[in-house]
Amino acid sequence: SQQGEEDPQALSIQEGENATMNCSYKTSINNLQWYRQNSGRGLVHLILIRSNEREKHSGRLRVTLDTSKKSSSLLITASRAADTASYFCATDDDYKLSFGAGTTVTVRA
Amino acid sequence: DSGVTQTPKHLITATGQRVTLRCSPRSGDLSVYWYQQSLDQGLQFLIQYYNGEERAKGNILERFSAQQFPDLHSELNLSSLELGDSALYFCASSVSWAGGVEQFFGPGTRLTVL
Repeated sequence: SQQGEEDPQALSIQEGENATMNCSYKTSINNLQWYRQNSGRGLVHLILIRSNEREKHSGRLRVTLDTSKKSSSLLITASRAADTASYFCATDDDYKLSFGAGTTVTVRA
Repeated sequence: DSGVTQTPKHLITATGQRVTLRCSPRSGDLSVYWYQQSLDQGLQFLIQYYNGEERAKGNILERFSAQQFPDLHSELNLSSLELGDSALYFCASSVSWAGGVEQFFGPGTRLTVL
């Protein structure tokens, strides 16, 4: 069963705009990870945030984690066409990743 | 390129058949994971091996089995295939068996069962 649920399911934005997607999960976690998948290809790790962290940055990515609300958000700033992909949050359960259904982001030129 | 290789890229077979998917982890990674991605189930964890031994099982059917060899490559065997087994199968690897580490995913094997 899927631990995380992303919202929205799909997002369409103009190049240069910011994209925000949210992830909610059900049970306590040690870590939460975000991955990107380009059209049916392998997943690429974006960022890992630990349960004792509230915010983390990596380049144009900003991830927040609110363990009291069991939610996380991923912000992509100044989006580019190359950011078009599906984005998944995954709760990190000590040995396995439990993925949500993903948010499909389309960046229009 | 994640450094994880999977073969074959595509596989088309018939119901009732048996197939083997192969994965070579990144150099130095001891842990291998198998995931299934389908339209109705999403991304599901199947099984994990660490240094040749099974560490954890997820939603893996009894018709499926896996192993990790001494050279650390892994194989996922799917038998008595059904139409519903059509999916993308991913292998991932990481340096350790525990959580809190990045998993590197291979490009996947697309299995089509006719």
